[in-house]
Amino acid sequence: AQSVTQLGSHVSVSEGALVLLRCNYSSSVPPYLFWYVQYPNQGLQLLLKYTSAATLVKGINGFEAEFKKSETSFHLTKPSAHMSDAAEYFCAVSERNAGNMLTFGGGTRLMVKP
Amino acid sequence: GAGVSQTPSNKVTEKGKYVELRCDPISGHTALYWYRQSLGQGPEFLIYFQGTGAADDSGLPNDRFFAVRPEGSVSTLKIQRTERGDSAVYLCASSRMGGEYEQYFGPGTRLTVT
Repeated sequence: AQSVTQLGSHVSVSEGALVLLRCNYSSSVPPYLFWYVQYPNQGLQLLLKYTSAATLVKGINGFEAEFKKSETSFHLTKPSAHMSDAAEYFCAVSERNAGNMLTFGGGTRLMVKP
Repeated sequence: GAGVSQTPSNKVTEKGKYVELRCDPISGHTALYWYRQSLGQGPEFLIYFQGTGAADDSGLPNDRFFAVRPEGSVSTLKIQRTERGDSAVYLCASSRMGGEYEQYFGPGTRLTVT
């Protein structure tokens, strides 16, 4: 069975600082990988996804993530944090060959200090 | 166009009662998913429909949970003899197909069992 680990349930950065949210997965074959953001009292919104193209994936709102097969990682970054980035972020995987459901990590709450 | 909608947005029920949660997917999306999100955790998969049939119901916790999608569009998640442990946000998502295609999430139904 797949699993997703997000290191750090809470991350705090200053406005303008680098954002780094970590995600590691366990899968026998490279899965599809996703990052979703959840604002308070709102649904999950897709930030970006990796399917099989370039390993560096650019998403919305200035976020990007790099798929590293050797490290089984898909960390999310943003060069400069904005107050509006404060939210809960979820990494998720979907197996390529079996099943279509998403397996989510536990989430990381990003706080941005002025 | 309209996104995924879920009704009701909030449901409070007494232990032992029966509840139905409704999901209206994006028009034309053949795949529909139900997830459950407990407080402070990532969403957990419950069931996946491809068209009218349940392609994977391995995430349903027990036989008190049941879901239908009779015409391949709207889906209803049904919970019998509710327990306090069923309290969570129930999320619905739809996509064109499974796997690499993005799942679009609804705002969720917050179920509270008293």
